Amino acid sequence: QQPVQSPQAVILREGEDAVINCSSSKALYSVHWYRQKHGEAPVFLMILLKGGEQKGHEKISASFNEKKQQSSLYLTASQLSYSGTYFCGTASGAGSYQLTFGKGTKLSVIP
Amino acid sequence: EAQVTQNPRYLITVTGKKLTVTCSQNMNHEYMSWYRQDPGLGLRQIYYSMNVEVTDKGDVPEGYKVSRKEKRNFPLILESPSPNQTSLYFCASGMTINSPLHFGNGTRLTVT
Repeated sequence: QQPVQSPQAVILREGEDAVINCSSSKALYSVHWYRQKHGEAPVFLMILLKGGEQKGHEKISASFNEKKQQSSLYLTASQLSYSGTYFCGTASGAGSYQLTFGKGTKLSVIP
Repeated sequence: EAQVTQNPRYLITVTGKKLTVTCSQNMNHEYMSWYRQDPGLGLRQIYYSMNVEVTDKGDVPEGYKVSRKEKRNFPLILESPSPNQTSLYFCASGMTINSPLHFGNGTRLTVT
């Protein structure tokens, strides 16, 4: 079952902040975040693992609430280059190899 | 250069004509996966492979086959394509499922 992302779309002016949320109905082991620009392949941003470990870019901030099965991606002081569609992916167990992505959140940053 | 290579980039075919989309990675990754992307539906996993000769179904496996005979290659096979398989397909690989995934550039398939 796909995780649910919100909002579906958001428009920001340069310098504004945004939060993208991802929630699942299943217990989660890890949450993955990717960004896809129009006409391109998705690009890795961050992985958050149960227990607190994180892997990803220093400039990207995210949280993972294991009890609520939710994750949030924080985009601060947005730049034009942040525009794109953001996907969260979830894996349910340490031994699970199935990574299920949400439907995406389209972020548009305007001057 | 570390990369995931998919071929072809574009493919137009007719219903029922068997086709294969190839995927190759040069990073010695154990984990590989196929996704399809349709407007409004996000990325949906078709099949994945944990290692050579080990594959399993994702969320939308119907109408697809895969094989993993070598670590670097993970072809996607459509034995009898139908119009509802018209989509953008991505292959991805990572050291494990909980490592960054590298995506190929995508294959846009049209089945008429």
